Amino acid sequence: AQSVSQHNHHVILSEAASLELGCNYSYGGTVNLFWYVQYPGQHLQLLLKYFSGDPLVKGIKGFEAEFIKSKFSFNLRKPSVQWSDTAEYFCAVNAGGSYIPTFGRGTSLIVHP
Amino acid sequence: EAGVVQSPRYKIIEKKQPVAFWCNPISGHNTLYWYRQNLGQGPELLIRYENEEAVDDSQLPKDRFSAERLKGVDSTLKIQPAELGDSAVYLCASSSGTGNEKLFFGSGTQLSVL
Repeated sequence: AQSVSQHNHHVILSEAASLELGCNYSYGGTVNLFWYVQYPGQHLQLLLKYFSGDPLVKGIKGFEAEFIKSKFSFNLRKPSVQWSDTAEYFCAVNAGGSYIPTFGRGTSLIVHP
Repeated sequence: EAGVVQSPRYKIIEKKQPVAFWCNPISGHNTLYWYRQNLGQGPELLIRYENEEAVDDSQLPKDRFSAERLKGVDSTLKIQPAELGDSAVYLCASSSGTGNEKLFFGSGTQLSVL
């Protein structure tokens, strides 16, 4: 069965700092990869996704993620965070044609103004 | 366009009582998911529907949980009887069902079992 690991459970940054959140998955075949975000008091929503092609994908609000197949990773990055990026971030993986995304446990990001 | 609608938003019950959650997916979305999210964890799938058919329910504790999606639109998730460990946020999501499409989530129902 596929699994998703997010190693950073809590991250605290100051505004303008750079961000990288780790995501690793365990599945050797074709995968679809997602990052979802949950802002305080809001529902989960898609930040970005990778299906095929360019392994560097860009999402909303200046976020990007890089798929490195050899490392089974899909890390999320943002060069300069803002206070409004404070949220929970979840990595998710569809593996092998599955219609069921498996989620990581999430990373809580707090950005101090 | 209306999003995924869930109700109630919060529910507090005593253990051994029944509880039900309702979900109205985005119009036209054939695939509906129920996830459970425990505190400090990511969402975990309970059941997935393709139209009115439950196609993935291996993670649903069938001794106390049941779900239905009559007419392939709205869905109801029920717990009877509830246990203390059922306290969690129950999330409903829908998608167009092509396998690589994003999920649209509702706001969830936060259940507290006392």
